[in-house]
Formats: sequence, structure tokens, C-alpha cells
Amino acid sequence: GAVVSQHPSRVICKSGTSVKIECRSLDFQATTMFWYRQFPKQSLMLMATSNEGSKATYEQGVEKDKFLINHASLTLSTLTVTSAHPEDSSFYICSARAQGAGSFFGQGTRLTVV
Amino acid sequence: QQQVKQSPQSLIVQKGGISIINCAYENTAFDYFPWYQQFPGKGPALLIAIRPDVSEKKEGRFTISFNKSAKQFSLHIMDSQPGDSATYFCAASGSGGSYIPTFGRGTSLIVHP
Repeated sequence: GAVVSQHPSRVICKSGTSVKIECRSLDFQATTMFWYRQFPKQSLMLMATSNEGSKATYEQGVEKDKFLINHASLTLSTLTVTSAHPEDSSFYICSARAQGAGSFFGQGTRLTVV
Repeated sequence: QQQVKQSPQSLIVQKGGISIINCAYENTAFDYFPWYQQFPGKGPALLIAIRPDVSEKKEGRFTISFNKSAKQFSLHIMDSQPGDSATYFCAASGSGGSYIPTFGRGTSLIVHP
């Protein structure tokens, strides 16, 4: 199956700093990438949808100035959590959608803000 | 509005038994129905998927049954094993305005040895 690589898998940062999470599709070109946040024992909450070369579309309630998404190429999207606070601590997951196929997920990033 | 309803929320099965998870959708524009398996601390992994032109798809011990008229689809895990213990999500997506996948709320499966 298609491989999506997400890094880092875990990150601990201090409150007020920024953290960048990378999502790469390794063996296919992703027409669309999605960013999700997942709380313990809950489903995936879509944060934003990004298409290569265009601005991301954010879901209602998601602060676009806090969660910066850049989709610079067909194989790379990044999520930057700016001025992180403890309430931003969560499990963040990206997925990449191949043309005419479903979505494939990265391994997830456990963010802890202290 | 929850467009994909998944049940049960949790499921306990004995080793060797059959695990059945059900999903129902509302948007008739959906044309792709995948199931994902997620272990703790990991991202979901695509398990099996089906399109509406077939009523059943089997891959090893995993089978999707699809009922287009009832707008329902289900995952059957035959000969369930302790290693199958995970959270399972169904999803649905389509083309055009419904291309963003909609996920069910997940089912926590525990298979007892």
C-alpha cells in the first residue's frame, strides 16, 4: 500500500514555542492532504484540508493563525503549531489522498506542551 | 450532523469468534467505503475498502458487506485473534463536494485469548 511518513512521532515543547510536523507521501503524489487531531478514545477530528500550491481550508473552530499549514509540493505538507500551549497537547495525524484512491495515514505525532 | 454512524462503540469477542462492526451512511454521493485499523499511539491503517458496484469484498479474514439500498456496510473479522484488538473506523467519501472522508466514531475491539 501507499506509504505516508510523518515526523516527528513524539515531541515535547515548552509553552510559547512553535512546533513543525512534517507529512510526506513517499511513493505517490498526494493531490490532497488532511490534518487531523485525535483526542483519547475518540474519532478523528478534521482540522484542515490542503491542496498543493493553494491555501489550506480550515474547519470551523480551528484557528488558522495557530495551526499553519503549508503544502509546498505534491509529496509534502507541514503543520506548524505556533505559540503552543498545554491545551494544544494532542495526537496529530496527517493523511494523504492519492488520485482515484483513498486516504493513507501517517504514523501520528504525539505533541506534549509543558 | 453525523453522516456516518458506526456501531457498536465497543466489542468483546472470544478468540476464534466473528467480530462484526456496522456502519450506516446518509450521503448518496459517497462512493468509496474504507475501513481503518488503529493501534494505540499509531495512525490508522487502511484495512480494506469497497466501492458500491460490489456487495462484498474479502481479503483474508476481513470481509466488507455492502448494502447500497439500505446505505449500510459492515466489517466482518473471521477467526478473530488477540492481535486484532484495536480500534476500527469506517469511513465514506466521494468525488466532488464529498471528497473529504467522513469517519465513524470508532469501535474498540477486544479479542480475548
